Order: sequence, then structure tokens, then C-alpha cells
Amino acid sequence: NAGVTQTPKFRILKIGQSMTLQCTQDMNHNYMYWYRQDPGMGLKLIYYSVGAGITDKGEVPNGYNVSRSTTEDFPLRLELAAPSQTSVYFCASSYSGLAGAPTDTQYFGPGTRLTVL
Amino acid sequence: EDQVTQSPEALRLQEGESSSLNCSYTVSGLRGLFWYRQDPGKGPEFLFTLYSAGEEKEKERLKATLTKKESFLHITAPKPEDSATYLCAAPLGGGSQGNLIFGKGTKLSVKP
Repeated sequence: NAGVTQTPKFRILKIGQSMTLQCTQDMNHNYMYWYRQDPGMGLKLIYYSVGAGITDKGEVPNGYNVSRSTTEDFPLRLELAAPSQTSVYFCASSYSGLAGAPTDTQYFGPGTRLTVL
Repeated sequence: EDQVTQSPEALRLQEGESSSLNCSYTVSGLRGLFWYRQDPGKGPEFLFTLYSAGEEKEKERLKATLTKKESFLHITAPKPEDSATYLCAAPLGGGSQGNLIFGKGTKLSVKP
């Protein structure tokens, strides 16, 4: 198993440009997440998905969009990139069971380092 | 407000010098406390999950413990390869959707 893969590894965008960060997992996990990590700060949740066709906002969703058409893929779309979106983006996945059950371990991808100039 | 706080922010140890990292949390209805290791330029790597007060888990030189208000990551006789940032996280209120709140991490440096 490759686990969680992310592309690209690095990207430089100009202000106002758009791009999609790709995330794929091959563990048949139903939950997927997007985080951003800024220097000296904890990981912040952007969006998450509990299954194909179901997505919801996390703590910092402004400026981003997501979709989940398959179990494996969870792309993150940046529209009209701004310098404040310069960050390292991590995708993660987990298998979480019924509501009320202990949360399962999240497995992270290697990250995408994005710079907006 | 759900919160996870780690201390210290940075810790420098000599090889073989044991110490502990702290993670305090204020999360209602705790459903798991997670420890991750993060190496520079890489994604967090899972270490432990603790579910109830009094629980302990070990992996090589690392031992994680959990009380009702905090968790400790004890490092016994560390080696330079243990240098990394250690993150703790807890599921937001209830945890049924798996949304984690992370601490800012403790950056550990172990010198030979």
C-alpha cells in the first residue's frame, strides 16, 4: 500500500491564480481530511469528508473548496490564491466507525508546500 | 473551548538524558489522545493512541501516559535519531467525526 499520496510536492503561485492539490489514499478509508500547517502553529483543519459525496467545513475553510467523488480521492481547490494561503498542506485519512466509537488513527501524506507571491 | 497545549515548545537533550514532554487538554468527552512524530519536511507519523486515564503505551524509548487532564511522552535514554517535533492531538468534542485539534508541538533536539 502506498498509503496517502499528495501531488505536487512544491508549488509557487501568483496572487489570483488557482490550483488543485491532489490527495489519494489506497487504504479504503472512509474519512479524509485537509490540514494546513504554518510555522510555529499547530495543524489546522480546512475541510473533511466522511465519505464519497459528503464534505464539511473545518476550522479554516475560507478560500478553499473540496469535492469527494470517490473513496480514494479528495482534492483541495484554491481559488484566487492569496499570500495568506502560503503554507504546507497535509491530507490525511482514517477509518472511523459508528458515531460514539473511539476515533481511529489518522494517516498523513507527505505534504504540499505552497508559496503564493 | 476545546484546547490542546504542549510544553515545552523546544527541548534540547544530550544523548542518554531522559525527559518528558507534556500535553494538557481541555476537550469535552475525550475519545482518544494521539501522539505523532513529525520530521522536517514530512507529514506527521502516528505513534500512540491513549483512550482512558491510567493507560500507558510504549514503543522503543518512548512511553506515553494519560491522566484526566494531561498526557506525557517520556523519552528514556534518547538518541540523536529521536530528534523531531512531537505533536499531540485530541478529537474535537465527541470525536465522532474524527476532527482532531492539534497542539503546536514540542521540537526535540538530541545531541550526541
